[in-house]
Amino acid sequence: KQEVTQIPAALSVPEGENLVLNCSFTDSAIYNLQWFRQDPGKGLTSLLLIQSSQREQTSGRLNASLDKSSGRSTLYIAASQPGDSATYLCAVRNSGYSTLTFGKGTMLLVSP
Amino acid sequence: DTAVSQTPKYLVTQMGNDKSIKCEQNLGHDTMYWYKQDSKKFLKIMFSYNNKELIINETVPNRFSPKSPDKAHLNLHINSLELGDSAVYFCASSLGLAGDQFFGPGTRLTVL
Repeated sequence: KQEVTQIPAALSVPEGENLVLNCSFTDSAIYNLQWFRQDPGKGLTSLLLIQSSQREQTSGRLNASLDKSSGRSTLYIAASQPGDSATYLCAVRNSGYSTLTFGKGTMLLVSP
Repeated sequence: DTAVSQTPKYLVTQMGNDKSIKCEQNLGHDTMYWYKQDSKKFLKIMFSYNNKELIINETVPNRFSPKSPDKAHLNLHINSLELGDSAVYFCASSLGLAGDQFFGPGTRLTVL
């Protein structure tokens, strides 16, 4: 059974810092991996989707990498801003017919 | 122009009651989901429907009955509500079973 772990559970940084969020999964035979953002009291917003054949995806200040063999993914946020404050969730899909298995998230606070 | 909408946003009810949550998407997606996020913020899949057919049922008690009248709607009916049902319920949709998932804003259910 797939298990997804995210470290750290919470992170507080001053504005402008570059930061890395970590995600690990127990079953490396994944179909794809997705990073989401959740703002308090709101739904999830998809940030990046990485297919199993890809090594990384980039969107603006966000870069997600995937190392399937070691069961790890990282989300790199460059030049963090207070508006980046949210919970970041990592989720993996094991096959084209399975649903997402989520980690518990990393709660990020970027202070001005 | 809301993509995935849910009603109601908040639901407070007594133990033993029956309640329904509605979900609608206007993205033209063919796959819809219900997730439960518990008090520890852990997000877990409950059901998945593809073209109105139930694809995944993750060991959810049969007090929970999803219904998909058409591809744009997936409603969730809960019978005999229990205290442990208190959570935030998220609806999501995607194009195909492995597509990027778009989430609704969530319904916070409180059972007293």
